[in-house]
Amino acid sequence: EDKVVQSPLSLVVHEGDTVTLNCSYEVTNFRSLLWYKQEKKAPTFLFMLTSSGIEKKSGRLSSILDKKELFSILNITATQTGDSAIYLCAGRTTSGTYKYIFGTGTRLKVLA
Amino acid sequence: NAGVTQTPKFRVLKTGQSMTLLCAQDMNHEYMYWYRQDPGMGLRLIHYSVGEGTTAKGEVPDGYNVSRLKKQNFLLGLESAAPSQTSVYFCASSYVNQPQHFGDGTRLSIL
Repeated sequence: EDKVVQSPLSLVVHEGDTVTLNCSYEVTNFRSLLWYKQEKKAPTFLFMLTSSGIEKKSGRLSSILDKKELFSILNITATQTGDSAIYLCAGRTTSGTYKYIFGTGTRLKVLA
Repeated sequence: NAGVTQTPKFRVLKTGQSMTLLCAQDMNHEYMYWYRQDPGMGLRLIHYSVGEGTTAKGEVPDGYNVSRLKKQNFLLGLESAAPSQTSVYFCASSYVNQPQHFGDGTRLSIL
């Protein structure tokens, strides 16, 4: 059975801290791994990773994929209160047709 | 740019009632999805569609039906609502091999 596991489930940090969020996956016919940020409503797209070892960056956020060990990390440096959200990762499979398997998310709270 | 629009945003139903949730996207995406999000469970796929006139079951399809008569619309139906279907429902759409775009969600309570 396909599954995506995120850790930690929740995290509280202070502004300026650096955080690392983890995502491990077991996805048949794996195609790519995606990270989303969910504040109050719709998840918004952060990164899509398809190749191992290539870091993707956007401002203070970065992410990398390890297809041998089947995991990905999302790093946030110099955290701000606006980074408080649920961070979701999803593995995309090409089994049958294209589907996404989501993890349960990591709830990050950044204190001022 | 509307993106993905879900209606209604909130709804309260009584057990046994029926209703339809509407998802509309204006990005000409082929793929559309319905998820439910429950505390501690993440996003679970209910049904999805890879094109107009086609639908397929996801992870938790029981108690739901869907239709995709037009490319831009994906409807989720509850024929006989049950308290276990209380959840937040998200619709998403995408091109092939591209990230999904999500709607703002529908909060549904079944009493």
